[in-house]
Amino acid sequence: AQKITQTQPGMFVQEKEAVTLDCTYDTSDQSYGLFWYKQPSSGEMIFLIYQGSYDEQNATEGRYSLNFQKARKSANLVISASQLGDSAMYFCAMRGGRDYKLSFGAGTTVTVRA
Amino acid sequence: DAGVTQSPTHLIKTRGQQVTLRCSPKSGHDTVSWYQQALGQGPQFIFQYYEEEERQRGNFPDRFSGHQFPNYSSELNVNALLLGDSALYLCASSLALPRIGQPNYGYTFGSGTRLTVV
Repeated sequence: AQKITQTQPGMFVQEKEAVTLDCTYDTSDQSYGLFWYKQPSSGEMIFLIYQGSYDEQNATEGRYSLNFQKARKSANLVISASQLGDSAMYFCAMRGGRDYKLSFGAGTTVTVRA
Repeated sequence: DAGVTQSPTHLIKTRGQQVTLRCSPKSGHDTVSWYQQALGQGPQFIFQYYEEEERQRGNFPDRFSGHQFPNYSSELNVNALLLGDSALYLCASSLALPRIGQPNYGYTFGSGTRLTVV
């Protein structure tokens, strides 16, 4: 079974600053994938970034980067140059190599201040 | 390229009633998963359908059932509704066998159906 832990229920960040969202995971699978999603108030889950367990490089997608520390089982999301439109709920999720489902954390609410 | 479409967007039902939610997957996707998201929580996996069969199921009672049609669209049925079934129900589509260059497994989510049970 996979377990995702997000310990920050809410965060405030100043516009144009960077913010790091924490995510730790637990799995017995050797092969797995880690995902970050953004959920605005509209409800839709928007895919941000993906990291495979065997990827040697940390994933980056525009202003999003994933700080993957396999030995510590952490996959923190860094959002650089925050924008007002980044205000949303952010979820870390995982899919085990033998699994079809995504397991989600409890989420972190990010509020960007002007 | 149409994304995942869910209907209806909002629904109010009475305890004990039955409800059917619908999902049309993203064009080219053949697998549909359903998730329940209670207010302030992360989504919980209900089940996944592929080739019109339930391929994997989460920890949900038999009151939750589903169906996938030959055109890959899907329905989620919930019988004997309880107050605790009030939630946002999300549908996600994907490819059963992700193509090379699609390492993220290509999950695409809809905007969800918000179900309120009174």
